Amino acid sequence: AQTVTQSQPEMSVQEAETVTLSCTYDTSESNYYLFWYKQPPSRQMILVIRQEAYKQQNATENRFSVNFQKAAKSFSLKISDSQLGDTAMYFCAFMNPNAGGTSYGKLTFGQGTILTVHP
Amino acid sequence: DTEVTQTPKHLVMGMTNKKSLKCEQHMGHRAMYWYKQKAKKPPELMFVYSYEKLSINESVPSRFSPECPNSSLLNLHLHALQPEDSALYLCASSQDRYGGPEDTQYFGPGTRLTVL
Repeated sequence: AQTVTQSQPEMSVQEAETVTLSCTYDTSESNYYLFWYKQPPSRQMILVIRQEAYKQQNATENRFSVNFQKAAKSFSLKISDSQLGDTAMYFCAFMNPNAGGTSYGKLTFGQGTILTVHP
Repeated sequence: DTEVTQTPKHLVMGMTNKKSLKCEQHMGHRAMYWYKQKAKKPPELMFVYSYEKLSINESVPSRFSPECPNSSLLNLHLHALQPEDSALYLCASSQDRYGGPEDTQYFGPGTRLTVL
Protein backbone atom coordinates (compact mmCIF):
# COMPACT_ATOMS: atom_id res chain seq x y z
CA ALA A 1 0.00 0.00 0.00
CA GLN A 2 1.13 3.50 -0.73
CA THR A 3 1.77 6.00 2.04
CA VAL A 4 2.15 9.76 1.88
CA THR A 5 3.95 11.69 4.62
CA GLN A 6 3.84 15.42 5.24
CA SER A 7 6.31 16.04 8.05
CA GLN A 8 5.38 19.67 8.76
CA PRO A 9 2.05 19.91 10.62
CA GLU A 10 2.21 23.71 10.60
CA MET A 11 4.22 26.40 8.87
CA SER A 12 4.13 30.16 8.67
CA VAL A 13 5.55 32.69 6.24
CA GLN A 14 5.54 36.43 5.76
CA GLU A 15 3.62 37.90 2.88
CA ALA A 16 5.70 38.12 -0.33
CA GLU A 17 8.20 35.53 0.88
CA THR A 18 8.76 32.01 -0.44
CA VAL A 19 7.84 28.85 1.44
CA THR A 20 8.34 25.17 0.67
CA LEU A 21 6.05 22.40 1.91
CA SER A 22 7.45 18.87 2.09
CA CYS A 23 5.89 15.62 0.97
CA THR A 24 7.39 12.16 0.71
CA TYR A 25 5.69 9.00 -0.42
CA ASP A 26 6.35 5.34 -0.54
CA THR A 27 5.54 3.18 -3.55
CA SER A 28 7.02 0.39 -5.62
CA GLU A 29 5.27 1.63 -8.75
CA SER A 30 7.07 3.47 -11.54
CA ASN A 31 4.00 5.15 -13.00
CA TYR A 32 1.83 7.26 -10.74
CA TYR A 33 0.45 10.73 -10.24
CA LEU A 34 0.97 13.27 -7.50
CA PHE A 35 -1.20 16.19 -6.51
CA TRP A 36 -1.21 19.14 -4.17
CA TYR A 37 -4.60 20.30 -2.93
CA LYS A 38 -5.29 23.47 -0.94
CA GLN A 39 -8.15 23.75 1.56
CA PRO A 40 -8.70 27.30 2.86
CA PRO A 41 -10.79 27.98 5.96
CA SER A 42 -13.73 28.29 3.55
CA ARG A 43 -13.17 24.50 3.33
CA GLN A 44 -13.35 23.87 -0.43
CA MET A 45 -10.56 21.56 -1.57
CA ILE A 46 -8.88 23.17 -4.55
CA LEU A 47 -6.39 21.52 -6.90
CA VAL A 48 -3.13 23.45 -6.86
CA ILE A 49 -0.87 21.40 -9.06
CA ARG A 50 -0.38 17.88 -10.40
CA GLN A 51 2.63 15.92 -11.59
CA GLU A 52 2.89 12.81 -13.72
CA ALA A 53 5.73 10.58 -12.52
CA TYR A 54 6.85 9.82 -16.08
CA LYS A 55 7.52 13.50 -16.72
CA GLN A 56 10.95 14.71 -15.68
CA GLN A 57 9.97 18.35 -15.89
CA ASN A 58 8.64 19.81 -12.68
CA ALA A 59 5.07 21.13 -12.89
CA THR A 60 4.46 24.86 -12.46
CA GLU A 61 1.26 26.84 -12.02
CA ASN A 62 1.87 30.58 -11.67
CA ARG A 63 3.39 31.09 -8.18
CA PHE A 64 3.24 27.40 -7.38
CA SER A 65 5.89 24.93 -8.46
CA VAL A 66 7.00 21.50 -7.37
CA ASN A 67 10.35 19.86 -6.86
CA PHE A 68 9.75 16.26 -7.90
CA GLN A 69 12.58 13.93 -6.98
CA LYS A 70 11.46 10.50 -8.17
CA ALA A 71 14.42 8.53 -6.83
CA ALA A 72 14.06 10.13 -3.43
CA LYS A 73 10.25 9.82 -3.59
CA SER A 74 9.90 13.45 -2.70
CA PHE A 75 7.34 15.95 -3.99
CA SER A 76 7.68 19.37 -2.37
CA LEU A 77 5.56 22.42 -3.14
CA LYS A 78 7.13 25.85 -3.43
CA ILE A 79 4.94 28.91 -3.09
CA SER A 80 6.59 32.11 -4.30
CA ASP A 81 5.49 35.63 -3.42
CA SER A 82 3.15 34.30 -0.71
CA GLN A 83 -0.20 36.03 -0.42
CA LEU A 84 -2.68 36.20 2.45
CA GLY A 85 -5.06 34.12 0.35
CA ASP A 86 -2.56 31.26 0.41
CA THR A 87 -3.43 30.65 4.06
CA ALA A 88 -4.87 27.14 4.02
CA MET A 89 -4.30 23.51 4.80
CA TYR A 90 -2.30 21.84 2.03
CA PHE A 91 -2.63 18.15 1.24
CA CYS A 92 -0.25 16.09 -0.83
CA ALA A 93 -1.93 13.16 -2.58
CA PHE A 94 -0.84 10.09 -4.55
CA MET A 95 -2.68 8.10 -7.19
CA ASN A 96 -1.63 4.75 -8.60
CA PRO A 97 -3.33 4.20 -11.96
CA ASN A 98 -2.28 0.55 -11.97
CA ALA A 99 -3.84 -0.35 -8.65
CA GLY A 100 -6.37 -3.12 -8.89
CA GLY A 101 -9.66 -3.80 -7.20
CA THR A 102 -10.96 -1.21 -4.82
CA SER A 103 -7.73 0.79 -4.97
CA TYR A 104 -8.37 1.65 -8.62
CA GLY A 105 -8.00 5.40 -9.12
CA LYS A 106 -7.98 6.12 -5.40
CA LEU A 107 -6.25 9.11 -3.88
CA THR A 108 -3.99 8.55 -0.89
CA PHE A 109 -3.65 11.75 1.12
CA GLY A 110 -0.96 12.94 3.49
CA GLN A 111 -1.95 14.32 6.90
CA GLY A 112 -1.74 17.90 5.68
CA THR A 113 0.26 21.03 6.48
CA ILE A 114 -1.42 24.14 7.84
CA LEU A 115 0.17 27.18 6.23
CA THR A 116 -0.38 30.65 7.66
CA VAL A 117 0.69 33.72 5.69
CA HIS A 118 1.27 36.75 7.92
CA PRO A 119 0.96 40.37 6.70
CA ASP B 1 -15.42 25.06 -15.71
CA THR B 2 -14.45 22.78 -12.84
CA GLU B 3 -17.41 23.39 -10.58
CA VAL B 4 -18.96 20.87 -8.26
CA THR B 5 -21.87 22.17 -6.21
CA GLN B 6 -23.17 20.80 -2.92
CA THR B 7 -26.31 21.55 -0.96
CA PRO B 8 -26.98 22.35 1.78
CA LYS B 9 -23.90 24.17 3.07
CA HIS B 10 -24.83 23.39 6.66
CA LEU B 11 -27.10 20.76 8.15
CA VAL B 12 -28.09 20.11 11.74
CA MET B 13 -30.05 16.95 12.42
CA GLY B 14 -31.15 14.82 15.30
CA MET B 15 -30.29 11.16 15.60
CA THR B 16 -33.77 10.11 14.50
CA ASN B 17 -34.00 12.37 11.47
CA LYS B 18 -33.72 11.47 7.82
CA LYS B 19 -31.94 13.94 5.58
CA SER B 20 -30.12 14.01 2.26
CA LEU B 21 -27.02 15.70 0.90
CA LYS B 22 -26.91 16.62 -2.75
CA CYS B 23 -23.99 16.99 -5.15
CA GLU B 24 -24.08 18.11 -8.76
CA GLN B 25 -21.53 18.52 -11.55
CA HIS B 26 -21.94 19.54 -15.17
CA MET B 27 -18.47 18.74 -16.43
CA GLY B 28 -19.45 15.48 -18.08
CA HIS B 29 -17.53 13.52 -15.46
CA ARG B 30 -18.43 9.87 -15.10
CA ALA B 31 -16.98 9.19 -11.65
CA MET B 32 -18.31 10.76 -8.45
CA TYR B 33 -17.12 10.39 -4.88
CA TRP B 34 -18.26 10.98 -1.32
CA TYR B 35 -15.69 11.78 1.34
CA LYS B 36 -15.97 12.42 5.07
CA GLN B 37 -13.56 14.87 6.63
CA LYS B 38 -12.93 15.59 10.30
CA ALA B 39 -11.31 18.86 11.35
CA LYS B 40 -7.63 19.17 10.40
CA LYS B 41 -7.59 15.66 8.92
CA PRO B 42 -7.42 14.47 5.32
CA PRO B 43 -10.63 13.38 3.61
CA GLU B 44 -11.65 9.74 4.02
CA LEU B 45 -13.20 8.06 1.03
CA MET B 46 -16.70 6.67 1.59
CA PHE B 47 -18.19 5.78 -1.79
CA VAL B 48 -17.29 5.87 -5.46
CA TYR B 49 -19.72 5.78 -8.35
CA SER B 50 -18.43 5.03 -11.82
CA TYR B 51 -20.81 5.36 -14.76
CA GLU B 52 -23.70 5.62 -12.30
CA LYS B 53 -22.87 2.31 -10.65
CA LEU B 54 -21.53 1.96 -7.12
CA SER B 55 -17.99 0.69 -7.52
CA ILE B 56 -16.50 1.27 -4.08
CA ASN B 57 -18.07 1.18 -0.62
CA GLU B 58 -15.38 1.67 2.00
CA SER B 59 -17.26 -0.39 4.60
CA VAL B 60 -19.45 2.59 5.44
CA PRO B 61 -22.27 1.96 7.98
CA SER B 62 -25.67 1.41 6.41
CA ARG B 63 -27.02 4.60 8.00
CA PHE B 64 -25.30 6.28 5.04
CA SER B 65 -26.97 5.41 1.74
CA PRO B 66 -25.61 6.78 -1.54
CA GLU B 67 -27.58 7.23 -4.70
CA CYS B 68 -26.60 8.29 -8.21
CA PRO B 69 -29.82 9.13 -10.13
CA ASN B 70 -27.90 10.23 -13.22
CA SER B 71 -24.36 10.97 -14.33
CA SER B 72 -24.36 14.53 -13.00
CA LEU B 73 -26.09 14.03 -9.67
CA LEU B 74 -25.05 12.27 -6.47
CA ASN B 75 -27.02 12.04 -3.25
CA LEU B 76 -26.14 10.83 0.21
CA HIS B 77 -29.14 9.78 2.30
CA LEU B 78 -28.68 9.97 6.05
CA HIS B 79 -30.72 8.11 8.65
CA ALA B 80 -30.26 7.44 12.35
CA LEU B 81 -26.86 9.08 12.47
CA GLN B 82 -24.66 9.27 15.55
CA PRO B 83 -22.97 12.39 16.98
CA GLU B 84 -19.61 11.00 15.81
CA ASP B 85 -20.87 11.30 12.24
CA SER B 86 -20.63 15.08 12.56
CA ALA B 87 -18.10 16.16 9.95
CA LEU B 88 -17.59 17.93 6.64
CA TYR B 89 -18.93 15.82 3.78
CA LEU B 90 -17.19 16.45 0.50
CA CYS B 91 -18.28 15.42 -2.94
CA ALA B 92 -15.83 15.12 -5.82
CA SER B 93 -15.96 14.18 -9.46
CA SER B 94 -13.48 13.11 -12.09
CA GLN B 95 -13.63 12.34 -15.77
CA ASP B 96 -13.23 8.68 -14.96
CA ARG B 97 -11.53 6.58 -12.32
CA TYR B 98 -9.03 4.62 -14.33
CA GLY B 99 -6.28 6.74 -12.87
CA GLY B 100 -4.20 9.49 -14.40
CA PRO B 101 -4.08 13.26 -14.54
CA GLU B 102 -7.18 13.34 -16.70
CA ASP B 103 -8.92 11.69 -13.79
CA THR B 104 -8.06 14.46 -11.40
CA GLN B 105 -10.70 14.78 -8.74
CA TYR B 106 -12.42 18.13 -8.37
CA PHE B 107 -14.11 18.81 -5.07
CA GLY B 108 -17.24 20.65 -4.07
CA PRO B 109 -17.41 23.10 -1.16
CA GLY B 110 -18.78 20.50 1.23
CA THR B 111 -21.70 20.19 3.63
CA ARG B 112 -20.98 20.80 7.30
CA LEU B 113 -23.09 18.21 9.15
CA THR B 114 -23.84 18.38 12.86
CA VAL B 115 -25.65 15.49 14.53
CA LEU B 116 -27.22 16.30 17.87
